[in-house]
Amino acid sequence: AQSVTQLGSHVSVSEGALVLLRCNYSSSVPPYLFWYVQYPNQGLQLLLKYTTGATLVKGINGFEAEFKKSETSFHLTKPSAHMSDAAEYFCAVSAPGGADGLTFGKGTHLIIQP
Amino acid sequence: NAGVMQNPRHLVRRRGQEARLRCSPMKGHSHVYWYRQLPEEGLKFMVYLQKENIIDESGMPKERFSAEFPKEGPSILRIQQVVRGDSAAYFCASSPYSGTQETQYFGPGTRLLVL
Repeated sequence: AQSVTQLGSHVSVSEGALVLLRCNYSSSVPPYLFWYVQYPNQGLQLLLKYTTGATLVKGINGFEAEFKKSETSFHLTKPSAHMSDAAEYFCAVSAPGGADGLTFGKGTHLIIQP
Repeated sequence: NAGVMQNPRHLVRRRGQEARLRCSPMKGHSHVYWYRQLPEEGLKFMVYLQKENIIDESGMPKERFSAEFPKEGPSILRIQQVVRGDSAAYFCASSPYSGTQETQYFGPGTRLLVL
């Protein structure tokens, strides 16, 4: 079974500042890891995912995440926040041979201060 | 290419009524997943279907909930005799292939309110 912990239900950063959203996972086998973004009253949109290979993954809208097996982490970063980044961000995990559905964290609400 | 479509977007039901939620996957996608999102919570997996088959329903409540994905037409999530605790956002996702590494593409959701 897998689980995901997202530290901080709300994160506030200034426009232009670094964005760091934390995600730690638990999995008995090498995981597949995903970050999704949800804008108000909309569905989820994939930002990026890690399956195998390079541990630094680049996604859309300038976001990237690094898979660190030793820390069981997959933190999401963006060098410079933009007002349009304000949204809910979800980290999710799955695993080969595991359950078919994604296991999601509770989400982090990103607030951008002007 | 149209995305995943869900209807209705908002649904209000009184306790004891039936709720029927529809999901049309992206063109060419034959794998459908349903998730439920409670307030202040992440999404919880409910069921995974392929055409005419339920593959994994480990997240479905044992009673009142059912799902289908017929050969023709959308996937349906049916909730019988709704209770207030069923109030949530229900999301459908689809993918073109099976496999836990595959990207799931999400619809806009149906927000169910039970009065």
